Amino acid sequence: QVQLQQSGPGLVQPSQTLSLTCAISGDSVSSKSAAWNWIRQSPSRGLEWLGRTYYRSRWSNNYALSVKSRITVNPDTSKNQFSLQLNSVTPEDTAVYYCARSGDLGVLDYWGQGTLVTVSS
Amino acid sequence: QSVLTQPPSASGTPGQRVTISCSGGSSNIGSNTVVWYQQLPGTAPKLLIYRNDQRPSGVSDRFSGSKSGTSASLAISGLQSEDEADYYCAAWDDSLTWVFGGGTKLTVL
Repeated sequence: QVQLQQSGPGLVQPSQTLSLTCAISGDSVSSKSAAWNWIRQSPSRGLEWLGRTYYRSRWSNNYALSVKSRITVNPDTSKNQFSLQLNSVTPEDTAVYYCARSGDLGVLDYWGQGTLVTVSS
Repeated sequence: QSVLTQPPSASGTPGQRVTISCSGGSSNIGSNTVVWYQQLPGTAPKLLIYRNDQRPSGVSDRFSGSKSGTSASLAISGLQSEDEADYYCAAWDDSLTWVFGGGTKLTVL
C-alpha cells in the first residue's frame, strides 16, 4: 500500500519560499511507472495542479504555467521523497497543499494528508 | 476559474439516483480519459472513477462514470447519507498538466 506523508511549515511570510516534503512508502520515487505531483486547494482557486517530477531514463519535470517561474519539484532518492519549493509567495498562495502519486493507472491515485500553508506576516 | 465545468451543487433523497456533469474541451476530456474524486470534509480527495468508467478496488458499484465527446458524468445510485461530499472531475490536458473541475457539493436530503 502506497503512503505519502507530508511535512513542512504551516506559516510562510510574504516574499519568502514555501517548502514542503513528501515522504514515500510502498513505492519508489525512482519508479519508471510513477510520477510525483503537487496540487493545492483553496476556496478561490479550487484544486490546482502545480507540477510533477518523474524518472524514466532521466529525471523530468512539468509545471503549471501559473507558477512555472516560481516552482521547483525535486526528487530525493536517498530519502525516497520529493519536495516542493515555491518562491516569492503572496497571500494568494495560501492553500492546502497535497502531494500525490500518478501510478500504473495513469491517474492521481494516492494522496498525502494535506498541509495548510498560510502566507502572512 | 476551473478549466472543467461542474454544477456547484446537487442533491437527492436516500435511495435516489443523482448525476453530476463535467464539461471540458478538446485538449482535456476530448482527448484523454476522465477521473472522478470524492472529498469528505478535512480529507484528501479519494479516487472514485478512472478511465471514464472504471472503479478502483473497494469503490461501491453504486458509483458509475461515463464520457461522451468533451463531457462526462458521474452517477450515484441508491443514494446514502454517507455519499454527502464534494465531487471533482479531472483530466490530463495535452498541455502536460492535470486540470480539475470546480467541484460539486452533494447534499443528501
